[in-house]
Amino acid sequence: GAGVSQTPSNKVTEKGKYVELRCDPISGHTALYWYRQSLGQGPEFLIYFQGTGAADDSGLPNDRFFAVRPEGSVSTLKIQRTERGDSAVYLCASSFGGSSTDTQYFGPGTRLTVL
Amino acid sequence: SQKIEQNSEALNIQEGKTATLTCNYTNYSPAYLQWYRQDPGRGPVFLLLIRENEKEKRKERLKVTFDTTLKQSLFHITASQPADSATYLCARLNSGYSTLTFGKGTMLLVSP
Repeated sequence: GAGVSQTPSNKVTEKGKYVELRCDPISGHTALYWYRQSLGQGPEFLIYFQGTGAADDSGLPNDRFFAVRPEGSVSTLKIQRTERGDSAVYLCASSFGGSSTDTQYFGPGTRLTVL
Repeated sequence: SQKIEQNSEALNIQEGKTATLTCNYTNYSPAYLQWYRQDPGRGPVFLLLIRENEKEKRKERLKVTFDTTLKQSLFHITASQPADSATYLCARLNSGYSTLTFGKGTMLLVSP
């Protein structure tokens, strides 16, 4: 079956603009995660959804970042007033139930470049 | 905060040798540690999970150990192949057991 997909694969924007990044998880997976990976670093947790609700959003760096998952499947990460420091690869992952032993399956990521 | 530390220098080894990668953590032992492989331009791929009460876990040519005294996990690839060249990430499960804290990863280069 299909894995986690993310669109777009690349996004170039100008400082101050608004961007939306989309994640399509594996069908039937109730848990969905967003991570951010800067060059030479490991993925950094941003937010975790269980179904439609954000179970843990402690990793969101500030109020310019927001994510939704209105129907419990597709999720959108929204970044307002982008800054150059937001440039990174944004990774999405999903797992079957979100328990400690459920494998997280990652998408290929969206590379965001803020000029 | 809970940290995961991995050697940021690349590890270069010859094909057929055993590669050993190190992951150190701070503060209390996590209930679980996970190891992932990441190829350039791709997302991480899960390899192995080891529980705090497990000393060792094996899967084919892979072996992971968990030493709570040293606060360390070792990841071994035996009979390494050029196709094993990638970045390997160590991650700990955070309290609440759903989200992960990753290390920076160690790049492994296996030369023929």
